[in-house]
This record gives sequence, C-alpha cells and structure tokens, in this order.
Amino acid sequence: GDQVEQSPSALSLHEGTGSALRCNFTTTMRAVQWFRKNSRGSLINLFYLASGTKENGRLKSAFDSKERYSTLHIRDAQLEDSGTYFCAAETLGYKLTFGTGTSLLVDP
Amino acid sequence: GPKVLQIPSHQIIDMGQMVTLNCDPVSNHLYFYWYKQILGQQMEFLVNFYNGKVMEKSKLFKDQFSVERPDGSYFTLKIQPTALEDSAVYFCASSSDRVASDYTFGSGTRLLVI
Repeated sequence: GDQVEQSPSALSLHEGTGSALRCNFTTTMRAVQWFRKNSRGSLINLFYLASGTKENGRLKSAFDSKERYSTLHIRDAQLEDSGTYFCAAETLGYKLTFGTGTSLLVDP
Repeated sequence: GPKVLQIPSHQIIDMGQMVTLNCDPVSNHLYFYWYKQILGQQMEFLVNFYNGKVMEKSKLFKDQFSVERPDGSYFTLKIQPTALEDSAVYFCASSSDRVASDYTFGSGTRLLVI
C-alpha cells in the first residue's frame, strides 16, 4: 500500500540552529501537508503544498511529487518549536497517509 | 481559528458493547473524515464522508463500523459491537473541499475497550 517514510524520528536542536525533516513517498502523491501536534493533542496545519515551496516565518517546506519527497526546514529554532511534527501525503484518492512523526526538542 | 470538537475526549467501554464517537466539524466544511491511531503507530485513514455518503473507506473500516451525520448535526462513528483491537485514539477531521488545504483535525477520542 501507499507508504510515507518520515525521518528523523527524533531531533534535538540548540536554540538558534536549524535542521530539516524529510518524508519520502513510495508512490506519486497529489499533495503533502505538514502538521504540528499541539499540547492538547490537536494537529495544527503548517503547510499544504501541491508543488514547489512555501515559507512561513522560520519554517519552509518543499514538495516534489515527481521525485516523491517533501521537506520541512526549521531555521533559528526556538524553545516553543519543540513538539511532534507529521507529514501527511494526499493520495490520488483524496485521503491522507501519515508519516510516523518527528519528535523535535529544542534546548537552550 | 476554526476548530473540530470531539466528544468525549476519553471513553472506556466493555468489549461487545456499542460506542458512538461524536465530532462537531468546522461549520462550513462539507467533507468529513475519521482516522485511527493505535498506541505507538501511525495515524491511519478509516473513512471519508460527503453529502450523506461514504466516499472511500480503508481495510480498517470493519463491518462493525458505521458513520453518519444526521441533519447536519454531529458526524458520528459508531462501533457495534466493540472489540479489544478497537482500542485507539480516533481523530475526526473536516475540510471544505476534496483538496485538503484546510484540513482541520480534532484532538481525538481515546477509546479503551476492556
């Protein structure tokens, strides 16, 4: 079946540094969505991309459907960025297939 | 921003009993979804629903599962009868169209079947 491979599973950053999360897809996906789980357990929309790149503040995401991957870049990480990040790929059938999540810890 | 509310947040139920999970979607959204997450595993698609009908369902959506949204009220997931393997967190989501750019998730209902 459709699979989404998300890496890394855990990431530790010092405040002010940056890194990237990546999702690889085993099949062609229509679009990708990135979420962050908040303290209440809700998934907060970060980005929705059908192609190309989008940027919002210190976050930037890219999606290449042909090469079957998406990335989420975080720069100048802040303590409040700590949390679990998920990518979810929208299949041609309009359902979301989720990655396993990346647990990000930003420390001083 | 707009929110999806799920009631109850937690439910414990005896195996074999019926349970109904309730979802209050974003008011102008037309597409509704349920996802299931077993502890330690990925969130997985169960079903999507539009215009009073199931559009697509996964292998996880067993015959014991049903969904409905009577008269524009709560979007519900009913499990009858429940089994031990139904223990999971169930997330409801809604969107305004099939292209999920405004997909909004609830906080989940934690179901424990004992």
